[in-house]
Amino acid sequence: GAVVSQHPSRVICKSGTSVKIECRSLDFQATTMFWYRQFPKQSLMLMATSNEGSKATYEQGVEKDKFLINHASLTLSTLTVTSAHPEDSSFYICSAIGTSGFSYEQYFGPGTRLTVT
Amino acid sequence: QKEVEQNSGPLSVPEGAIASLNCTYSDRGSQSFFWYRQYSGKSPELIMFIYSNGDKEDGRFTAQLNKASQYVSLLIRDSQPSDSATYLCAVAQFYSSASKIIFGSGTRLSIRP
Repeated sequence: GAVVSQHPSRVICKSGTSVKIECRSLDFQATTMFWYRQFPKQSLMLMATSNEGSKATYEQGVEKDKFLINHASLTLSTLTVTSAHPEDSSFYICSAIGTSGFSYEQYFGPGTRLTVT
Repeated sequence: QKEVEQNSGPLSVPEGAIASLNCTYSDRGSQSFFWYRQYSGKSPELIMFIYSNGDKEDGRFTAQLNKASQYVSLLIRDSQPSDSATYLCAVAQFYSSASKIIFGSGTRLSIRP
């Protein structure tokens, strides 16, 4: 299957700092990427949908000024958590859509575990 | 009503038996349906996708889709302890300008030896 990478896999930062997470589709071009957040023992929560070359679409309750998304190319999307606080500590997962014949498939990155101290 | 509903479980199945996981969705315009497996602390991994009514088989896994009933299921034959995980159902609409993928809350499956 297609491969999606994320960097970094783990990050610890101090409260008030900003953290950037990269999501790359390695062997296919992804016009759409998604950013999810998952708290322990909870399901994935979609934060935003990122389309290449346009502004991201944020889900209700997600602050666009706090979670900056840039989808600069067909293989790269970045999520920047600005002025991080301990409550932002979570598992952040990106995904990218690739095509397979008549259907689309969503491939997930391995996730980034953010800890804000 | 949630857009994608799954029984949270846990669903306990003896090793070697068939595990049946169910998912219902509310949007009749949904086009593609996915099953993901997620181990604790890991990212979801795609098991199967289906977009036509009927059954789709891949190894020990069979996905079943009934669009009239808005129902999709996953059967796991010859269940193994390694199948113990949370299984996420996802329902999607894909367009060139926007795509929408909704996840269920997941079903925890436990295979007992």
